[in-house]
Amino acid sequence: AQKVTQAQTEISVVEKEDVTLDCVYETRDTTYYLFWYKQPPSGELVFLIRRNSFDEQNEISGRYSWNFQKSTSSFNFTITASQVVDSAVYFCALRPGGYQKVTFGTGTKLQVIP
Amino acid sequence: DAGVIQSPRHEVTEMGQEVTLRCKPISGHDYLFWYRQTMMRGLELLIYFNNNVPIDDSGMPEDRFSAKMPNASFSTLKIQPSEPRDSAVYFCASSTVGDYGYTFGSGTRLTVV
Repeated sequence: AQKVTQAQTEISVVEKEDVTLDCVYETRDTTYYLFWYKQPPSGELVFLIRRNSFDEQNEISGRYSWNFQKSTSSFNFTITASQVVDSAVYFCALRPGGYQKVTFGTGTKLQVIP
Repeated sequence: DAGVIQSPRHEVTEMGQEVTLRCKPISGHDYLFWYRQTMMRGLELLIYFNNNVPIDDSGMPEDRFSAKMPNASFSTLKIQPSEPRDSAVYFCASSTVGDYGYTFGSGTRLTVV
């Protein structure tokens, strides 16, 4: 069984602060993929990143960075110098290798206050 | 590419009526997924298809829900009869093997009164 836990339901930060969204996953598969999606107030779901279980390198894309640690089954997402446009619900998700079904966490609502 | 196209964007219907949600996946994508999003349950996978064949429908809540994919470019999710607890946002998504992640449609916000 696959499980994704996002313990932080809501986070509020002041603009320009850094913020980290936590994601902990459970799987018995040795090959799997982890994802982050963003859902802004307009409602669409936007793909941000995919990581496979064999690649523990951290990734940085502009103000976004992701920290994947298999030892703690975590895939955390950090936004540096947050902006109001970052306000959204962020979902962490897990997909076993060779199988297309993705399990989503419950999401973390981020509010960036100007 | 126009992305995954869902229609309608909003649907308001009376309890007991039949509701049909529509989805056009990205051309060339061979997987299609229907998700439901509610405050209480988050994002739930209802059913997914591979090459137009239903693979896993274990998330379909009950017999009132049915989904079809008559061809590679079209899928429907039908609720008959609808109930107020079916009110939710229904997302369609598509992908292909080796894809980085799903591409989601804009969703259909269903309200059953």
